[in-house]
Amino acid sequence: SAVISQKPSRDICQRGTSLTIQCQVDSQVTMMFWYRQQPGQSLTLIATANQGSEATYESGFVIDKFPISRPNLTFSTLTVSNMSPEDSSIYLCSVEDEGGYEKLFFGSGTQLSVL
Amino acid sequence: QQQVKQSPQSLIVQKGGISIINCAYENTAFDYFPWYQQFPGKGPALLIAIRPDVSEKKEGRFTISFNKSAKQFSLHIMDSQPGDSATYFCAAISLLNAGGTSYGKLTFGQGTILTVHP
Repeated sequence: SAVISQKPSRDICQRGTSLTIQCQVDSQVTMMFWYRQQPGQSLTLIATANQGSEATYESGFVIDKFPISRPNLTFSTLTVSNMSPEDSSIYLCSVEDEGGYEKLFFGSGTQLSVL
Repeated sequence: QQQVKQSPQSLIVQKGGISIINCAYENTAFDYFPWYQQFPGKGPALLIAIRPDVSEKKEGRFTISFNKSAKQFSLHIMDSQPGDSATYFCAAISLLNAGGTSYGKLTFGQGTILTVHP
């Protein structure tokens, strides 16, 4: 199974600043996904990142707020821009393993607190 | 909008008991139904999954029951243990295509916090 490393694991940030979250996978994967999990809530898909293409954003999420990079088949970044306290959440990276959609794996997440 | 509704929100079970979590979906375009287990500070981990053409799948103490006509599916945890205490999410996957690449899009239920007392 794919091993996913996310950095940082947690951070406390000031309002108005930006944070870039890194997701590194130990194998080449085509699709990478970014999710948000607000405190005590379920997971919501932010965007889908296909290497070599622009990320596809879900309704309610925009590129200016959550720019995503996908420079190669093992790495992606999510930036949370111009942060406000409402952005305090856990952000998770997910990938499809060799089994495709039947094998979706998640990183441990980045717990973000915005003051 | 595609939705997956999950209940109960929280569940307390005695050790050795049966934990049952239910989910219902509205859209028939889902192709796969996984369950995820999440411990505090960790990302969700795939527990068990089922295809819509199968009525039941069992893996160890975990069983999924699937009722396609009712658009409902449930997770049964037999002989529940304190180590099973976690948050459980049902999900439904719809198959999409981006730039010629097929992938699965997950829609999660709201989650169930399971507590198993010793």
